[in-house]
Amino acid sequence: QKEVEQDPGPLSVPEGAIVSLNCTYSNSAFQYFMWYRQYSRKGPELLMYTYSSGNKEDGRFTAQVDKSSKYISLFIRDSQPSDSATYLCAMSQGRGGSEKLVFGKGTKLTVNP
Amino acid sequence: GAVVSQHPSWVICKSGTSVKIECRSLDFQATTMFWYRQFPKQSLMLMATSNEGSKATYEQGVEKDKFLINHASLTLSTLTVTSAHPEDSSFYICSASYPNEKLFFGSGTQLSVL
Repeated sequence: QKEVEQDPGPLSVPEGAIVSLNCTYSNSAFQYFMWYRQYSRKGPELLMYTYSSGNKEDGRFTAQVDKSSKYISLFIRDSQPSDSATYLCAMSQGRGGSEKLVFGKGTKLTVNP
Repeated sequence: GAVVSQHPSWVICKSGTSVKIECRSLDFQATTMFWYRQFPKQSLMLMATSNEGSKATYEQGVEKDKFLINHASLTLSTLTVTSAHPEDSSFYICSASYPNEKLFFGSGTQLSVL
């Protein structure tokens, strides 16, 4: 079993839809959870950074962490064509600064105008 | 967010030559930098962890003599692919740790070895 599982998609939605992206993991020691957005042939851009269980909201983005289920989600409200990208979940045991991250494979999202 | 600059963005080289990729943290001092490799439609795979002033720590299966990492200052780390071969063609990405413990990535380098 891989440490982090993420459905690679692709996922295609109409503009304005609510998008739900998910990852599951097996290592209960993970405490820091991140979502990155990556455009084609570019470096990942940090979207959300959360610690332990709970919700975090930033504009149209909401990150949820359920440590009991080892399940994390990213919701995108009012999706826009500019949200079309690959979304990577990542997690670490310690604080992200000096701890290596374990990434999911990424979900490719297309938002159609 | 913090800025991590990576250069060059793409490079084409002949088989057997060496290629150097630079990663700079522009507005903060990065005590730790990471180097990743990404194949098409695959996730980022950590190659090595680079700490300023000390030897890099390589992940299992990564040839340290082939992928030379130098973290000579708090704002610069370099990855040199030595004697590159076509199988080394990939997208290489660096990242640097930010003082508030978030991780920011460079824009990546597409290496093509002919």
